[in-house]
Amino acid sequence: NAGVMQNPRHLVRRRGQEARLRCSPMKGHSHVYWYRQLPEEGLKFMVYLQKENIIDESGMPKERFSAEFPKEGPSILRIQQVVRGDSAAYFCASSPGVVETQYFGPGTRLLVL
Amino acid sequence: QQQVKQSPQSLIVQKGGISIINCAYENTAFDYFPWYQQFPGKGPALLIAIRPDVSEKKEGRFTISFNKSAKQFSLHIMDSQPGDSATYFCAATLGSSNTGKLIFGQGTTLQVKP
Repeated sequence: NAGVMQNPRHLVRRRGQEARLRCSPMKGHSHVYWYRQLPEEGLKFMVYLQKENIIDESGMPKERFSAEFPKEGPSILRIQQVVRGDSAAYFCASSPGVVETQYFGPGTRLLVL
Repeated sequence: QQQVKQSPQSLIVQKGGISIINCAYENTAFDYFPWYQQFPGKGPALLIAIRPDVSEKKEGRFTISFNKSAKQFSLHIMDSQPGDSATYFCAATLGSSNTGKLIFGQGTTLQVKP
């Protein structure tokens, strides 16, 4: 059973470009969480999705950030018009249900030049 | 109220020693407390977790001690090994929110010297 897959593992963007981060949850998991880890800091919750629905986006910046988890395919975290402060590691986690163990992917390290 | 405070920020322990990392929380509605281990360049991996109805949980060399009245919990690593050198995060989740989002502590970087 493959773990949580994230791609790309590393992403370099120039200021103003768009970043698309993908997450494929573990087989059988329909709950996806995105977290952001700034350098030397802990992980901060961004958004929680179930298939085709955003359940909780209380940690997501109001502008430039969006997330989706379509019926088919991976979950996507999209950052428009990236700025240097967006440079961070973005982790996706999946679980089979609410308040179940969350399994994390290897992360996407975004660097904005 | 949503914060989880973790200490120390960094810890150096000799091989064979005991590593202790502490966390404190404010929100009494938190009902699930996992610890994650993260190696450089990797994602966090669940190490051990506890619910507030028990005061201690042990898995191998790893033990969580939970003090509900003090709103504190800690991770003890017995017989620490160089391979345990990693960053450790405590976390908590708010069952009543029905989202399961994890609130993480700031992390503790553990170095076990051979």
